[in-house]
Amino acid sequence: QKEVEQNSGPLSVPEGAIASLNCTYSDRVSQSFFWYRQYSGKSPELIMSIYSNGDKEDGRFTAQLNKASQYVSLLIRDSQPSDSATYLCAVNRYGQNFVFGPGTRLSVLP
Amino acid sequence: ETGVTQTPRHLVMGMTNKKSLKCEQHLGHNAMYWYKQSAKKPLELMFVYSLEERVENNSVPSRFSPECPNSSHLFLHLHTLQPEDSALYLCASSQEKPTSRAYEQYFGPGTRLTVT
Repeated sequence: QKEVEQNSGPLSVPEGAIASLNCTYSDRVSQSFFWYRQYSGKSPELIMSIYSNGDKEDGRFTAQLNKASQYVSLLIRDSQPSDSATYLCAVNRYGQNFVFGPGTRLSVLP
Repeated sequence: ETGVTQTPRHLVMGMTNKKSLKCEQHLGHNAMYWYKQSAKKPLELMFVYSLEERVENNSVPSRFSPECPNSSHLFLHLHTLQPEDSALYLCASSQEKPTSRAYEQYFGPGTRLTVT
């Protein structure tokens, strides 16, 4: 079992719709969870961090964490073509030890 | 300059060359990281320095040698690389907070390395 799993996509949604991105992780001691956005040819950009079970909202983005199910998700409301990118899920197990998922490619269609 | 900077942005080197990648962070952070990103593979953590001490070394071949002279600068020295080492090398930094579990990382633009 891979440590951090994501559907590779592409996930296609129409403009204005809600995009739902999912991530599962295998290590139960994981403490902190992050979503990064990476445009083609660019470096990852931090979007959200979440540490406790439940939802965390920031603008059009909502991160959801369920530690019992070892599941973290990212919802993007009112999706825009500029949201088209690869979204990386990252898990912090301890200290500075991070594991990244393979990323989900999102395409928002005008 | 702000954020995390990396030089050079592109590098082509032969298998017998020696080169170095440089990273500088202007965020006042106390931890720095090297990652490798190959096509169709997840980001791979290579090295971590916290307070200028190496705390992670994820079974990286010895042809990659990191150096962290202070909390703002990080180098990756390269020698006798292989073609499969061609990838995007990313530097990141974070602030270790004793009272928090948060280690939000901020990435530099990366160095695109091609080994011929």
